[in-house]
Amino acid sequence: QVQLQESGPGLVKPSQTLSLTCTVSGGSISSGNYYWSWIRQPAGKGLEWIGRIYTSGSTNYNPSLKSRVTISVDTSKNQFSLKLSSVTAADTAVYYCARGDRFDPWGQGTLVTVSS
Amino acid sequence: QSALTQPASVSGSPGQSITISCTGTSSDVGGYNYVSWYQQHPGKAPKLMIYDVSKRPSGVSNRFSGFKSGNTASLTISGLQAEDEADYYCCSYAGSSIWVFGGGTKLTVL
Repeated sequence: QVQLQESGPGLVKPSQTLSLTCTVSGGSISSGNYYWSWIRQPAGKGLEWIGRIYTSGSTNYNPSLKSRVTISVDTSKNQFSLKLSSVTAADTAVYYCARGDRFDPWGQGTLVTVSS
Repeated sequence: QSALTQPASVSGSPGQSITISCTGTSSDVGGYNYVSWYQQHPGKAPKLMIYDVSKRPSGVSNRFSGFKSGNTASLTISGLQAEDEADYYCCSYAGSSIWVFGGGTKLTVL
């Protein structure tokens, strides 16, 4: 079955750009007409949808983050990526990637800490 | 888009039934039949339990059921088991290709 795995730096300095990649295994990212999403969760808090991408490259973003977010896809590597610019401590969270509009399945998540 | 409103906590004894509410607006929960529910155990990724208001993915126990009335969706867990103790989140489509989550509910099995 399809599995997702997030990867990227666990520590980012304030004002810099957070960059994460989600690698899809067990199936092609291009099959099934799925959107692929990023979702985050600050420690002890709820989930926040960040945005999504279709394999054609079409994207949708959370309006609250839209000015700082870029999601891209590399079908040749079966990966999609997140870039969040001008980060602050408020962006410290576990970042998840997930498939489709049902958000199923999810990756295991990766903790990103914003600190100098 | 504001987060959907869920109770911070609910509790129940083994074997009992509990219901978690998820209140939104006519622009999200009330406007679309795209409400999903997720179970999250500590330190783990969320797991899809219900989608499209009341549909269960393959492998999810039929003790879990979903319903929607107006701007409020609900998740009912019947025959509570110790393993059901977790955080539960609702999520709804909010139009314009945007998705919004609830604040989460901590379920305690007494």
